[in-house]
Amino acid sequence: DTAVSQTPKYLVTQMGNDKSIKCEQNLGHDTMYWYKQDSKKFLKIMFSYNNKELIINETVPNRFSPKSPDKAHLNLHINSLELGDSAVYFCASSQEGQGGPISNYEQYFGPGTRLTVT
Amino acid sequence: GDSVTQMEGPVTLSEEAFLTINCTYTATGYPSLFWYVQYPGEGLQLLLKATKADDKGSNKGFEATYRKETTSFHLEKGSVQVSDSAVYFCALSDPLGGSNYKLTFGKGTLLTVNP
Repeated sequence: DTAVSQTPKYLVTQMGNDKSIKCEQNLGHDTMYWYKQDSKKFLKIMFSYNNKELIINETVPNRFSPKSPDKAHLNLHINSLELGDSAVYFCASSQEGQGGPISNYEQYFGPGTRLTVT
Repeated sequence: GDSVTQMEGPVTLSEEAFLTINCTYTATGYPSLFWYVQYPGEGLQLLLKATKADDKGSNKGFEATYRKETTSFHLEKGSVQVSDSAVYFCALSDPLGGSNYKLTFGKGTLLTVNP
């Protein structure tokens, strides 16, 4: 029943490690996103993919590499983790439509992955 | 670039009080405007939206009117409940400004409603 799911829900790791967060949506949407929410709750777009094609890469370090194996999945791989990467990462999806996917269609968010880098 | 400014929190109210959370924006084109809500430990949910000037979005007793002349989209509710305690985010998408594939968020306002 879950529309947008993410795994894991919590991730604790040490600096320098490489980790991945997975996202899946079962809504049949064409567009998927990754957002980062910092400790002050500020939300910022990282990436958006439309039909597996990267549309937005919002000045995210190269250590972050999204991968979309198909329209229903958008995974986030992070190399050489740093303390500043600690945050909650949200995946979202929306349906594409006239005027762009967001103007007319709701974004559905996953429950978030809380990443803690020690 | 596009930006959203919303009132700093936290906001603490008693049950049945009137709520206003201010939101103003700057955008290149003609944005669509949204309010999202994040309940503790959960992801964001769309609360309401408006896609053109003078539109009023409403849901669960919350309302917001798209005011182009003041570039504002203030959130209001006449009588809040304890269950409304959450973080509220104002956001925009701006197709003509080239950002129809992302939402630009305000910094969020934490609302706590006491019984």
